[in-house]
Amino acid sequence: DAGITQSPRHKVTETGTPVTLRCHQTENHRYMYWYRQDPGHGLRLIHYSYGVKDTDKGEVSDGYSVSRSKTEDFLLTLESATSSQTSVYFCAISESPSSDTEAFFGQGTRLTVV
Amino acid sequence: TQLLEQSPQFLSIQEGENLTVYCNSSSVFSSLQWYRQEPGEGPVLLVTVVTGGEVKKLKRLTFQFGDARKDSSLHITAAQPGDTGLYLCAGGPGNTPLVFGKGTRLSVIA
Repeated sequence: DAGITQSPRHKVTETGTPVTLRCHQTENHRYMYWYRQDPGHGLRLIHYSYGVKDTDKGEVSDGYSVSRSKTEDFLLTLESATSSQTSVYFCAISESPSSDTEAFFGQGTRLTVV
Repeated sequence: TQLLEQSPQFLSIQEGENLTVYCNSSSVFSSLQWYRQEPGEGPVLLVTVVTGGEVKKLKRLTFQFGDARKDSSLHITAAQPGDTGLYLCAGGPGNTPLVFGKGTRLSVIA
C-alpha cells in the first residue's frame, strides 16, 4: 500500500472555528491533492500541489487554503468552518497529474461541522 | 470543467448476474481510469485505458474505452458479493488533475 496517512480520521468541530487536516506521504510523489466527497457529488478537487510551496485551486476551493512546506506534508485549512464543509476529505498523491498515472488515496477524514 | 457522467447511479443485483456500468463525456480524454471504493476507504485504481477502442480484462471485469475516447464501460460477469462497492471513473485532458464521475454504487446480494 502507498504510504499516505491522513490525520485526524474523524473530527467534530463547531461552526466558525478553524480546522486543519494533515496529509503525510512517504512515497516522495511530487503531486498531492485534496478532494472532498459528498453524496450526489462524487469526488471534487479542492486544491492541489505540484511541489513545495507550489499550489493551485481546484473546482471547490472557496473557504479552503492549503500549504506545502515539505514534500511529504500537505495541509488543508478551513479558516472558519461552516456546516456546508461537513464532508469526507481525501488526500491523494501521484507522480504526475496525467490521467494515465495512478493516484493513491488516503483513508479519508470525516469532518462534521455542527 | 470536463464532466464525466456515470450511469446507473445505483445498481442492486443478485449474485451471478452480469452488469455494465457506463461513463460518458462530451469531451475527449487522453486516458481514463476506473477506481473502486469500499466503505471507509479511499478509492483504489482498477485499470487505466489510454487508446481509443481499447479493451482490458481484469478477471471477471472487462473495461472498454470508446473509439472517440469520450466514453468507457465496465462490465462485470457473474457478479459476486465481493464486487460490492462504489465504482468511479476518472479522467483528464492531459496534465491536469483527475476529474471524477459521481460513481455507481453496486450492491451484489448473495
